[in-house]
Amino acid sequence: DAKTTQPTSMDCAEGRAANLPCNHSTISGNEYVYWYRQIHSQGPQYIIHGLKNNETNEMASLIITEDRKSSTLILPHATLRDTAVYYCIVRVAHNAGGTSYGKLTFGQGTILTVHP
Amino acid sequence: KAGVTQTPRYLIKTRGQQVTLSCSPISGHRSVSWYQQTPGQGLQFLFEYFSETQRNKGNFPGRFSGRQFSNSRSEMNVSTLELGDSALYLCASSLKDASGANVLTFGAGSRLTVL
Repeated sequence: DAKTTQPTSMDCAEGRAANLPCNHSTISGNEYVYWYRQIHSQGPQYIIHGLKNNETNEMASLIITEDRKSSTLILPHATLRDTAVYYCIVRVAHNAGGTSYGKLTFGQGTILTVHP
Repeated sequence: KAGVTQTPRYLIKTRGQQVTLSCSPISGHRSVSWYQQTPGQGLQFLFEYFSETQRNKGNFPGRFSGRQFSNSRSEMNVSTLELGDSALYLCASSLKDASGANVLTFGAGSRLTVL
């Protein structure tokens, strides 16, 4: 699985958009980009994933560059409850016949602090 | 839909003892994986079970073991506990979607303190 690079920490004002970058320059064609977050003392929470196209769900948007070497997670209107460690993970998809679903390699992530 | 349930949530053991942690996955999820989280090493993959078979294992000593039952529930065991085993142990279950991507749902964790 490709290695990712994220800033150690970021700040964001409440109500503003939080844009969290992730570099994955060695990503290969069959690898997805996943984002998870972990609020203090809780288990990680899935946010979003994508392969090539930009994705949006109720939590966030994921923008993947055309060359797929980097991506940005966007929280459109950050709240204090979004303060957490955000992990960007790149992982190969497992199609029919694949047997390993559960292994993710977590880096140190980005500590996002949302200020009032 | 109930989430991933881990028990116990907190426990304290002494060096040399053993511990068993339990994980009940989301109904219908057949893959269960375990992770250890410590301040120094972060989140590290322990092992994964699918259909009662260990499919993948992380770089941990043999004192760490696990199993999965026919109902997909899983247990992990740590024998001869060491101080360094103090950590948050997280269980996650997953279901592969049609595209081949898989999303993990984590439990709240079992926090183990070894004295």
